Amino acid sequence: QKEVEQNSGPLSVPEGAIASLNCTYSDRGSQSFFWYRQYSGKSPELIMFIYSNGDKEDGRFTAQLNKASQYVSLLIRDSQPSDSATYLCAVNLLGGATNKLIFGTGTLLAVQP
Amino acid sequence: NAGVTQTPKFQVLKTGQSMTLQCAQDMNHNSMYWYRQDPGMGLRLIYYSASEGTTDKGEVPNGYNVSRLNKREFSLRLESAAPSQTSVYFCASTHKVSNYGYTFGSGTRLTVV
Repeated sequence: QKEVEQNSGPLSVPEGAIASLNCTYSDRGSQSFFWYRQYSGKSPELIMFIYSNGDKEDGRFTAQLNKASQYVSLLIRDSQPSDSATYLCAVNLLGGATNKLIFGTGTLLAVQP
Repeated sequence: NAGVTQTPKFQVLKTGQSMTLQCAQDMNHNSMYWYRQDPGMGLRLIYYSASEGTTDKGEVPNGYNVSRLNKREFSLRLESAAPSQTSVYFCASTHKVSNYGYTFGSGTRLTVV
């Protein structure tokens, strides 16, 4: 079982719709959770992080964390074609004094104009 | 611009050749990382340095060596390149505290023929 799992997609949504991206993780002791956006041919860029159960909102983005279910999601409201990218979920594993992230393989989001 | 600088951006090597990928950050980050990204495999950790003077193996260290030259610089060396090392390599850095995400460099696209 992979430590961080994501559906590879592509997830296709119409412009203006809500895109819902999901991620599950296997290490129950994981403490911090991150969402990165990666455009084709570019490097990942951090868009959200969350470490408490519940929702965290930042503009059109909402991260949701449920530690009991080992599940983290990213909602993108009013999706735009410029949101088309691969979204990477990353988890900070317990047990290290260092910030070592394990990444999922990413979900490709395609927003249709 | 402040951030993580990687050189070179592109490189073609012949099997058996050696090379060093350079990475430098100017954000006073403690921790630095080398990842490789392959289609369908996501980002996989090669080596990391939690702080100046320390280095540790990640998930896929075979065939690589690293040097944390000082707090700013972290290099990755391929002693005898193999076609399996064809990949995109990303350097990243962060503060040591677990709630901070990484800042990534722009990547090095390496092809070994």
